[in-house]
Amino acid sequence: EPEVTQTPSHQVTQMGQEVILRCVPISNHLYFYWYRQILGQKVEFLVSFYNNEISEKSEIFDDQFSVERPDGSNFTLKIRSTKLEDSAMYFCASTPSWSFNNEQFFGPGTRLTVL
Amino acid sequence: AQRVTQPEKLLSVFKGAPVELKCNYSYSGSPELFWYVQYSRQRLQLLLRHISRESIKGFTADLNKGETSFHLKKPFAQEEDSAMYYCASTSYGGSQGNLIFGKGTKLSVKP
Repeated sequence: EPEVTQTPSHQVTQMGQEVILRCVPISNHLYFYWYRQILGQKVEFLVSFYNNEISEKSEIFDDQFSVERPDGSNFTLKIRSTKLEDSAMYFCASTPSWSFNNEQFFGPGTRLTVL
Repeated sequence: AQRVTQPEKLLSVFKGAPVELKCNYSYSGSPELFWYVQYSRQRLQLLLRHISRESIKGFTADLNKGETSFHLKKPFAQEEDSAMYYCASTSYGGSQGNLIFGKGTKLSVKP
């Protein structure tokens, strides 16, 4: 059964460094999402992406963040200058079409640790 | 702002006991509601959604608009039900289906 994959599983970086988190959504899916979960807190929406552009973004998704679909398979989240508070689990998700009641398929997550 | 509340951080029951995981939402329109589950060392996955009115792994959830609740229930808990359970909603308010999650409830089913 196809699954969303994410790499790396764990990323450790120094404050101020740039990081790129990678996701490969399920191949026939068209809508892509990034969420994050700070330890002990709720899963929070960051951004949705469709047709090579951002559909919606949350307040968390400020100028430090960007997303890209550089080729037909990868979907990346870049944090330009990491802060301590960016330490979290980052989840990618995808869905085949847009509907309010569609299931979103999640990746296993990337744990980002900013030192 | 749309909000999903799960009041219990941890729920511990014995095998065979009934389970109810509480979820309340705040939204004046007609939200779509979901339960996602995360078993140990596995990814978040959909358990059920209210529009389907289905029973998955013995779990059911009924949308109560009067109480703005979507509690998850199972009459007889099994040890394999132990997991983190997240209630989530989407909205018709112009969003592209992004999910709003509750904080999650950890269900522990003891033998």
